Amino acid sequence: AQSVTQLDSQVPVFEEAPVELRCNYSSSVSVYLFWYVQYPNQGLQLLLKYLSGSTLVESINGFEAEFNKSQTSFHLRKPSVHISDTAEYFCAVSDAGANNLFFGTGTRLTVIP
Amino acid sequence: NAGVTQTPKFRILKIGQSMTLQCTQDMNHNYMYWYRQDPGMGLKLIYYSVGAGITDKGEVPNGYNVSRSTTEDFPLRLELAAPSQTSVYFCASSVQQVSSYEQYFGPGTRLTVT
Repeated sequence: AQSVTQLDSQVPVFEEAPVELRCNYSSSVSVYLFWYVQYPNQGLQLLLKYLSGSTLVESINGFEAEFNKSQTSFHLRKPSVHISDTAEYFCAVSDAGANNLFFGTGTRLTVIP
Repeated sequence: NAGVTQTPKFRILKIGQSMTLQCTQDMNHNYMYWYRQDPGMGLKLIYYSVGAGITDKGEVPNGYNVSRSTTEDFPLRLELAAPSQTSVYFCASSVQQVSSYEQYFGPGTRLTVT
């Protein structure tokens, strides 16, 4: 089974500063990678995903993540955060063709005015 | 579209009681899932279903049961509640298999067993 590591449980950052949320997964031949965001008292929403092709994927609200196969990583970045980005972010991994998604423990991003 | 709805939002159970968590989706998705989220932990898959009449175990199925009689509904049953089942439960659905397709999550049910 896959395992997903999000080393940073909490990341405080000032508004308009850049941020990187780290995600590493156990190696596999072929994986699909996801970042989900959870706003307070809500369910999870898909932020972005990597299935194949370009290793850099972007979301509509300015986040991006890069799939690095050699380092088995899928870090999430944003060059300038907003107050509205305050949320919990979960990295998730699935073996291609599987029905199981494995989630990391989450990173709570707090944007400070 | 309401998406994925869950009831109740909150529930307190005594040890040994039973209850059913309801989940309904109106997107005509074949795949549905139940997760639990414990504090400081990621989501763990309890059960999933690939279509009406078909269910399968996830990572943490013990103490739970599911059924899928219709495409829309996927209830989760707790038969003998234990404190270890205190958690937030999320239902999700997707068009097809989770590895390729986005999952849509409900707002969750916060369950406390005392």
